[in-house]
Amino acid sequence: GAVVSQHPSWVICKSGTSVKIECRSLDFQATTMFWYRQFPKQSLMLMATSNEGSKATYEQGVEKDKFLINHASLTLSTLTVTSAHPEDSSFYICSASGGRREQFFGPGTRLTVL
Amino acid sequence: GDSVTQMEGPVTLSEEACLTINCTYTATGYPSLFWYVQYPGEGLQLLLKATKADDKGSNKGFEATYRKETTSFHLEKGSVQVSDSAVYFCALSRGTSYGKLTFGQGTILTVHP
Repeated sequence: GAVVSQHPSWVICKSGTSVKIECRSLDFQATTMFWYRQFPKQSLMLMATSNEGSKATYEQGVEKDKFLINHASLTLSTLTVTSAHPEDSSFYICSASGGRREQFFGPGTRLTVL
Repeated sequence: GDSVTQMEGPVTLSEEACLTINCTYTATGYPSLFWYVQYPGEGLQLLLKATKADDKGSNKGFEATYRKETTSFHLEKGSVQVSDSAVYFCALSRGTSYGKLTFGQGTILTVHP
């Protein structure tokens, strides 16, 4: 099956700093990428949908200026958490979709903000 | 809005036991329904899906039937293996899994030898 990677797999940062998370489709071209957030013992919540070369569409309640999403190529999307605070600590998961019309998920990134 | 409710875990079973993980949904119209599995250290993988009422999705010995009348999509397996230990997510979408997915909270399954 198709492979999606995320980097880093975990990150610890200080409050007020920015963190960038990369999501890559390794063996297919992803026209659409999705970013999810997962709290402990809770379901995945869709944060935003991005199509290659256009602005991301954010879900209601998600601050677009805080969670910057870039999808500049068909194999890479990035999520930047700006001025991170402890409440931003979470597990962030991306997925990618291409011509096969199925979402393939990355393994996730654990963010801890001190 | 759309929502998915799964039975709370964790679920612990012995090898060869029967498995049922309940899933019910709330949505208008006719959503597509999915079960995803997440093995330790890996991303979510599509396990099975059903796109219309009375459809049965099946894969790797797992089955789930789309029940419109009870708005349910329970996951079943007749004989679980240790390798089935994972987190299972029920989800729905307005279209195929290409589109926006609404997930349940996930159920942790542990199978002991």
